[in-house]
Amino acid sequence: QLQLQESGPGLVMPSETLSLTCVVSGGSMSSGGYSWNWIRQSPGKGLEWIGYIYHSASIHYNPSLKSRVTISIDRSKNQFSLKLNSVSAADTAVYYCARERDTSGYSFDHWGQGILVTVSS
Amino acid sequence: DIQMTQSPSSLSASVGDRVTITCRSSQTISNYLNWYQQKLGKAPGLLIYAASSLQSGVPSRFSGGGSGTNFSLTISSLQPEDFATYYCHQSYSTPWTFGRGTRLEI
Repeated sequence: QLQLQESGPGLVMPSETLSLTCVVSGGSMSSGGYSWNWIRQSPGKGLEWIGYIYHSASIHYNPSLKSRVTISIDRSKNQFSLKLNSVSAADTAVYYCARERDTSGYSFDHWGQGILVTVSS
Repeated sequence: DIQMTQSPSSLSASVGDRVTITCRSSQTISNYLNWYQQKLGKAPGLLIYAASSLQSGVPSRFSGGGSGTNFSLTISSLQPEDFATYYCHQSYSTPWTFGRGTRLEI
């Protein structure tokens, strides 16, 4: 049973960098046909896709966040990470990592439980 | 970006009812449309992918339809565990986008 688990600080100061990690267990990230995504959810914006990484040479970001986002992968540790810099209160949200499969279209078939990140001084 | 519009935003129903939720995209997305169910405090879970394919393990009372710009999710006979929020999601072109959700309540 594939599981994803987010971890990182729940409180980030304004203008600082938000850093989260998603550990994948019960399956290998090296299996083909999947990308690894970050999605966030806030009352104001609903569900917002942040970006995905397929492998180190294939990374795609939401243009609305592209200037502030970095997603990276460490296949040796079976995990991937999110960095969002220059955060503000608008970045307060529950952050999810999710696996996307590319069979019969693209869909998020496994999600982490989510982690609430609050941006506040 | 492709905008996804769900209706209604909330819906009151009873156990045993048949309910339909609709989702409209701002441009054609073929059948690249997925539906998710989210319960309070939990992550969304995949119900339907490619507009009408039932995700493994999802009860057959859930069904999806549509193509192009108009899509629907139908629950044939509501069960107590179906009261949740439902989201559509387009995977036709990035940035992937979601509808604002339909809250299904008693």
